[in-house]
This record gives sequence, C-alpha cells and structure tokens, in this order.
Amino acid sequence: GAVVSQHPSWVICKSGTSVKIECRSLDFQATTMFWYRQFPKQSLMLMATSNEGSKATYEQGVEKDKFLINHASLTLSTLTVTSAHPEDSSFYICSAPGEQYFGPGTRLTVT
Amino acid sequence: AQKITQTQPGMFVQEKEAVTLDCTYDTSDPSYGLFWYKQPSSGEMIFLIYQGSYDQQNATEGRYSLNFQKARKSANLVISASQLGDSAMYFCAMREVTSGTYKYIFGTGTRLKVLA
Repeated sequence: GAVVSQHPSWVICKSGTSVKIECRSLDFQATTMFWYRQFPKQSLMLMATSNEGSKATYEQGVEKDKFLINHASLTLSTLTVTSAHPEDSSFYICSAPGEQYFGPGTRLTVT
Repeated sequence: AQKITQTQPGMFVQEKEAVTLDCTYDTSDPSYGLFWYKQPSSGEMIFLIYQGSYDQQNATEGRYSLNFQKARKSANLVISASQLGDSAMYFCAMREVTSGTYKYIFGTGTRLKVLA
C-alpha cells in the first residue's frame, strides 16, 4: 500500500532557528499533501494544504510567513518552521489525501 | 460549531469485551466521508475504517465496525473482543469538500484503556 515518510522523526532546535521537515510519498505521486499540528493531548489541527506547482493553502490563523510550505515535486512536500519559538513545539504530521495515509510524524522541541 | 464531536475523553474496557466509541458529526454537504484512526503512544496515525455518506451498509474491518446512523449524524466505532494492544487514542474524522478541495476535520479523541 501507499507509504508516506517523514524526516526527521524528531528534532530539537534553539529558539530563533529554522527547521525543515520533509514529507515524501514513497510509492505514489501526490499532487496534494496535508500538514497537521498536534499539541500534547490534543487533536490534529490542519495547518495547510500543499499543492504541487502552486502555492499552499493555509488554514485561518496559521502564519504563512512562519510556516513555509513547498511542494517541490510529486513525491516531496516540505514544511519549514522559521524563527522557531518554544510555543511551536509540537507534533507535526503530513498526510496524503485519498485513503488518508499519514506520515509517522515529526516531534519538534524548541528550547 | 464543532463539526466532529467525541464526547468520551476516556474509556475503560475489559479485555475480550466489546466497546463503543462515540462520534457525531455536522455537515450540510451531502457527500462526505467518515474515518476512524488509532494513535498509540508512538504518535503514528493508524487508519482503521472508512464509511462513505452514500454507503448503504455499515463498514466493517476485522474487529472494527462502524455503526453509521445517518439521520442522527453519528458514526460510532465498535471494537469487538478488545485486546491489550487496543489501548490508544482514537480519533473520528470527517472528510468534506470545501471550494473544490478536500478537507479533513478531526474530533478531540477518546483515550481507550483495555484492562487485563
């Protein structure tokens, strides 16, 4: 079946630095990828939808200049958290549409 | 208004017994999909079962079945013969089409603990 991978699985960074998270579809092409954020003991909140060849669509309240999304190819979407702060610490998950396959998630800790 | 409501923050069930996790939804779209996911402590989201709004029969996948009551807008997950490995968070989600694109909305989840 379809597999979505994410890298890194966890990352610790200092406040003010930027972190890039990669999401890859391993055996299929994805023109769309969804990016979610999950705070501890909370649900998944859709942040944005990345679209190959066009701009990402951001959900209300999500800063597009802080969370840069690039859908570079049909198998790769990236989320860059710019100038990260401790409140950005969260679990970030990408998924492909259709049967809704999720990547394993990236746990970001900003110190 | 909440689009997906899971009213049970936590549930306990004895091993080998059945358990029902509640989910109600709200949409005016005639075409939608309903999903259940399991999230163990590792964080990965595991797809369990899917029900389409036009499906006539309730979905089943092994020990999982979805009690779909369209008029009541409910999509409860039934886990039969619970196992210790079923202990996890369970999320109900709905897929709807907004402005020509899919959007997935998740409930707040139910933490299930299976007791030996």
